[in-house]
Amino acid sequence: SQQGEEDPQALSIQEGENATMNCSYKTSINNLQWYRQNSGRGLVHLILIRSNEREKHSGRLRVTLDTSKKSSSLLITASRAADTASYFCATGGGSYIPTFGRGTSLIVHP
Amino acid sequence: GAVVSQHPSWVICKSGTSVKIECRSLDFQATTMFWYRQFPKQSLMLMATSNEGSKATYEQGVEKDKFLINHASLTLSTLTVTSAHPEDSSFYICSGRGDYEQYFGPGTRLTVT
Repeated sequence: SQQGEEDPQALSIQEGENATMNCSYKTSINNLQWYRQNSGRGLVHLILIRSNEREKHSGRLRVTLDTSKKSSSLLITASRAADTASYFCATGGGSYIPTFGRGTSLIVHP
Repeated sequence: GAVVSQHPSWVICKSGTSVKIECRSLDFQATTMFWYRQFPKQSLMLMATSNEGSKATYEQGVEKDKFLINHASLTLSTLTVTSAHPEDSSFYICSGRGDYEQYFGPGTRLTVT
């Protein structure tokens, strides 16, 4: 079964707006990571949040983790056209095999 | 920065030839490596799991004789696509897992002509 599942599947916003995407998972984790993938390109590691952390910031990125709800959110503030990409979450740690959802496809219109 | 590297990042080969993709963990020891493939506009699908020094475990529908995986050390795993065909054209991504960390490589795009 899939461990990471992102929603929404697609998100279309205007430049300057904030974008929020969510990830749900099923089992306990040591950490959760968010990745970006531009069309036809590889995965780019964005941020890692550990299970004992609740919130983490990196530039315009803000990630929250709620282990009681087994969910995480990624917020991109003041979005730019260059943020257009697919975003995936992946969970780390434990004995399960990490799997990806389809990701959230973000389109930022200039 | 990236802690898992893949080489090459992009390769074009002729049908019938074999291609080897390397996956290296740069600053941690990956006791387990995972290999995924991704078709255009699709999710990453797990192909196989390998533990250092052991034979890989393949997911259902993945031909082990076609996709040879070697995990000879704690920092290196290789995927060899043997007798490649155009339908093997895809994006291949590896992931390394240590005691507490897990990271994904940037991917290798394989095009078979």
